[in-house]
Amino acid sequence: GENVEQHPSTLSVQEGDSAVIKCTYSDSASNYFPWYKQELGKRPQLIIDIRSNVGEKKDQRIAVTLNKTAKHFSLHITETQPEDSAVYFCAAMRNQGGKLIFGQGTELSVKP
Amino acid sequence: DADVTQTPRNRITKTGKRIMLECSQTKGHDRMYWYRQDPGLGLRLIYYSFDVKDINKGEISDGYSVSRQAQAKFSLSLESAIPNQTALYFCATSGTSGGQPDTQYFGPGTRLTVL
Repeated sequence: GENVEQHPSTLSVQEGDSAVIKCTYSDSASNYFPWYKQELGKRPQLIIDIRSNVGEKKDQRIAVTLNKTAKHFSLHITETQPEDSAVYFCAAMRNQGGKLIFGQGTELSVKP
Repeated sequence: DADVTQTPRNRITKTGKRIMLECSQTKGHDRMYWYRQDPGLGLRLIYYSFDVKDINKGEISDGYSVSRQAQAKFSLSLESAIPNQTALYFCATSGTSGGQPDTQYFGPGTRLTVL
């Protein structure tokens, strides 16, 4: 079955710096890769996703890149702000399977 | 997201007790899921259902059972709770877009403590 590894587990940056979180997956048939943000005490919420027919997607300060050959994808946050502090989860899914398999999460701390 | 609700929000129970966690959604989605979250382990899939007559085991189904009472309702039961089932439980729903699975929307979570 699918396995998703996420790194780093914790990340601390200064406000205004960039943050990068990386994930690798094992199932070459996976073709949907969402990223979720979970603030303390709240539910995970989708912030961006990418399907395998594109290599990069951007939404304001966040972007996701996908390398299907290497089976890895990354989340990039630019100009970080304190409100970006949260736990971020990557996930992978096959269209046919419909199950999301999550990475272990990255706790991002943005220091003012 | 008030479209996906979970009850109860918090529950403390004792070892051996039967517990039911309930999830309701008004999004009109066919697909519903139950996850548990433990620190450092991310979100792990317990059971999922693609329609009322379809129930599937996830990664960690042992010790759990589910019931899909209607399109909008999906319940998770712990027949005989044990302490290592202490965790945060999330329900999620999704539809499809162009035949492909769509975004999953999560409920607010239920914090379960088994003493």
